[in-house]
Amino acid sequence: DAGITQSPRHKVTETGTPVTLRCHQTENHRYMYWYRQDPGHGLRLIHYSYGVKDTDKGEVSDGYSVSRSKTEDFLLTLESATSSQTSVYFCAISEEGARGNTIYFGEGSWLTVV
Amino acid sequence: AQSVAQPEDQVNVAEGNPLTVKCTYSVSGNPYLFWYVQYPNRGLQFLLKYITGDNLVKGSYGFEAEFNKSQTSFHLKKPSALVSDSALYFCAVSPEGDGYSTLTFGKGTMLLVSP
Repeated sequence: DAGITQSPRHKVTETGTPVTLRCHQTENHRYMYWYRQDPGHGLRLIHYSYGVKDTDKGEVSDGYSVSRSKTEDFLLTLESATSSQTSVYFCAISEEGARGNTIYFGEGSWLTVV
Repeated sequence: AQSVAQPEDQVNVAEGNPLTVKCTYSVSGNPYLFWYVQYPNRGLQFLLKYITGDNLVKGSYGFEAEFNKSQTSFHLKKPSALVSDSALYFCAVSPEGDGYSTLTFGKGTMLLVSP
């Protein structure tokens, strides 16, 4: 296992409420990522971080924000959850950037917005 | 922008037969190519990657993949399928070059191996 812990693993929330997903790594890797997985879309990058307080947007960043105050923690926040954000969210890490470096994934967080 | 196509939503194969899961890609410059496997309700597990060198890459659990630059393909193969290989398989690509670039995934191919 890649030393990645996601919490919560399962959550049901109501439309309009804020939600924060946490990713904690024990590998001291520089890069951390949040992906979402939806049927027919594969995995799509939401945001990524290349160091403490250094983050950037991915392909599907609207409605999401992230923070990284420590190397080991990367938080994903849905400011006001919508039904379209019902998905499985995966945190991932890599030593360096995506070019040729293997990305390792956590076990996922299942989020349902009702 | 880079992209990955996995033309088959599902591949069915009998146990003991060879299997192939197809992947084609589009990227500027030379590609870095990856295969991941996902079992039900689990995260993605890394299988193998192509960076440079030999076009035939060997990975975990007896899987291998062949890089074909002229056909822009990176098909996943295994000589003899096991029922336990049944899972969702993802191909992914990132381009060579300077600076950071994201890893782009295909939509996935479900592999079903029947006893």
